[in-house]
Amino acid sequence: AQSVTQLDSQVPVFEEAPVELRCNYSSSVSVYLFWYVQYPNQGLQLLLKYLSGSTLVKGINGFEAEFNKSQTSFHLRKPSVHISDTAEYFCAVSQNSGGSNYKLTFGKGTLLTVNP
Amino acid sequence: EAEVAQSPRYKITEKSQAVAFWCDPISGHATLYWYRQILGQGPELLVQFQDESVVDDSQLPKDRFSAERLKGVDSTLKIQPAELGDSAMYLCASSASGARHTCFGPGTRLTVL
Repeated sequence: AQSVTQLDSQVPVFEEAPVELRCNYSSSVSVYLFWYVQYPNQGLQLLLKYLSGSTLVKGINGFEAEFNKSQTSFHLRKPSVHISDTAEYFCAVSQNSGGSNYKLTFGKGTLLTVNP
Repeated sequence: EAEVAQSPRYKITEKSQAVAFWCDPISGHATLYWYRQILGQGPELLVQFQDESVVDDSQLPKDRFSAERLKGVDSTLKIQPAELGDSAMYLCASSASGARHTCFGPGTRLTVL
């Protein structure tokens, strides 16, 4: 079974500083990787995804992530954060659940807090 | 933009009572998921449907939880009886058949007293 490890449960940063949220996965087969953001009492919103092709993936709100197969990592980065980026961020891997069906396995999440 | 709808958004109940949550996926999405998210953790899959058939319910506590998608469109998740440990966010999601992108609803926040 595939698993996802988010190395930091909380990341505090100052506004306009760069940030990196770390994610490692374990899988012996081809993977599809995702980052989702969750604001308080809301559902999950897709930030970006890696399915194939370029290992540098750009998403919404200025976020990007790099797929590194040799290090089994998919770290999320933003060069300059805003107060509004304060939220919980989840890394997820998609695995086949039978036939053409897929399901997501999530990490435990990283709480990003942007301080003024 | 099409969205996954869920109701209610918030539910407070007492232990041993029955609760039910409803989900309407994006039109045309054959795959529907119910996830449970305990506070401070990532979502965990409870049950996955392909049309009206259950594909994966290995993590569904079947002694108290049930899920159905009778016509392959909307779905209901039921808990009877509710226990204190069931307090969580219940997220519904959907995807097109064979797709790897999943769309999530706003969730139902359940509090069991």
